[in-house]
Amino acid sequence: GAVVSQHPSWVICKSGTSVKIECRSLDFQATTMFWYRQFPKQSLMLMATSNEGSKATYEQGVEKDKFLINHASLTLSTLTVTSAHPEDSSFYICSARDWDRGSYEQYFGPGTRLTVT
Amino acid sequence: GQQVMQIPQYQHVQEGEDFTTYCNSSTTLSNIQWYKQRPGGHPVFLIQLVKSGEVKKQKRLTFQFGEAKKNSSLHITATQTTDVGTYFCAAKLHSGNTGKLIFGQGTTLQVKP
Repeated sequence: GAVVSQHPSWVICKSGTSVKIECRSLDFQATTMFWYRQFPKQSLMLMATSNEGSKATYEQGVEKDKFLINHASLTLSTLTVTSAHPEDSSFYICSARDWDRGSYEQYFGPGTRLTVT
Repeated sequence: GQQVMQIPQYQHVQEGEDFTTYCNSSTTLSNIQWYKQRPGGHPVFLIQLVKSGEVKKQKRLTFQFGEAKKNSSLHITATQTTDVGTYFCAAKLHSGNTGKLIFGQGTTLQVKP
């Protein structure tokens, strides 16, 4: 099956710093990737839809200037949490669909656990 | 905004008992998917339902899509400890091609051996 990787798997940063999270589709091309945030024992909240070669589409309530998304190639999307604060601590997960295979399932990355101190 | 409600939030069962989680929406859904997330893991796709009244089975798992395409259920027969995890429904609200999904709150299943 299709594989999506994320890096780093966990990161601890100080308040006020920025953190970049990478999401890669390893064996397929993903023109669209999705970024989710999941707080402990809660559901996945869609943050934004990342589109290769164009601007990301953010969900209502998600600050686009705080969560910068760059989809520079067909296999890589990055999420940068700028000026991170403790309330940004969460589990960030990306997903992608393998459109070329006509597959409708979303393949999730293993997630990145961000802790802001 | 659009919401997909999922109940119950938690379910503890004895191994061998059945388990059901329900997903409801106030609006008609284009399709619905089910995912399983093991503790500490990421969601893994289980199935997609598209047609009104559709029923699909995967071994001990039975998935149903309501006639009005506003609700869905996942039923596990004779649970095993390997069934432990959180089950999410994820709905596609529109028939466009974005692939955007709205996740339910999830039902966490605990199975006592």
